[in-house]
Amino acid sequence: SQQGEEDPQALSIQEGENATMNCSYKTSINNLQWYRQNSGRGLVHLILIRSNEREKHSGRLRVTLDTSKKSSSLLITASRAADTASYFCATALIQGAQKLVFGQGTRLTINP
Amino acid sequence: DAGVIQSPRHEVTEMGQEVTLRCKPISGHDYLFWYRQTMMRGLELLIYFNNNVPIDDSGMPEDRFSAKMPNASFSTLKIQPSEPRDSAVYFCASSFDRSSRGYTFGSGTRLTVV
Repeated sequence: SQQGEEDPQALSIQEGENATMNCSYKTSINNLQWYRQNSGRGLVHLILIRSNEREKHSGRLRVTLDTSKKSSSLLITASRAADTASYFCATALIQGAQKLVFGQGTRLTINP
Repeated sequence: DAGVIQSPRHEVTEMGQEVTLRCKPISGHDYLFWYRQTMMRGLELLIYFNNNVPIDDSGMPEDRFSAKMPNASFSTLKIQPSEPRDSAVYFCASSFDRSSRGYTFGSGTRLTVV
C-alpha cells in the first residue's frame, strides 16, 4: 500500500500563480522528500525535510511538515511554464531510512 | 559526473524472452535502488543494495526477477521469462548515506513486452 498520497491528483493554474500540493502519510518518518518528474524523464530531487523540521525553503519552493497530522505541503511560488511536471512526495521510514516510498504524484500544468 | 546511467533506454521484446536492464550509479554513492513505474501502480521499489549487498528484495514481484550488483559501479535487473505485465518504465537510482540530497535517478528503461 502507498505510504504517501498526494492531493490533488491534478492541478492546472495560470503562469505566475502559486501552486500548492499536499501529501499525507501513514506511519512515522525519518524524513520526507519531494521530487519532480518531467514527462518521459527520471525523477529529480527537489528538497528534503527532516522529521524535526517544520518548514524549509529552496528558491521558489517552500515545504512544510506537520508530523502530528502526518502531512506535508509543497508550495511553488510565481509558477512558470517550465514547472509543468508531476510532483511526488516520498517518505523515508525511521527504520531503514534510505528506503523511500513514493506517492502517486500530482500532475501540475502551468498555462501560459 | 554523468549521473546515473541506464541502458537501454527502450527495449521491446517478445513474451518469454530474457531481458537485462543495466545501471551505472554515481561514483561514491553507496546505495542503489531499482524502481518500476506504471500508471496503475505508480513507483514501486523492487530491490535496493548497500555497498553492493542486497538489503531488501521484498518488492521483487516473483522469481522471474533477479538483480545483481557485482561491483560498486554496475548493477543489472534481469527478467526471465518476460511477460506482457512486466511492461513498465524501470528506474535505477543511487544515493549517498550521509547526504541530504536524496536519490539521483537515471533516465529509465521503457520496457515493452509483446
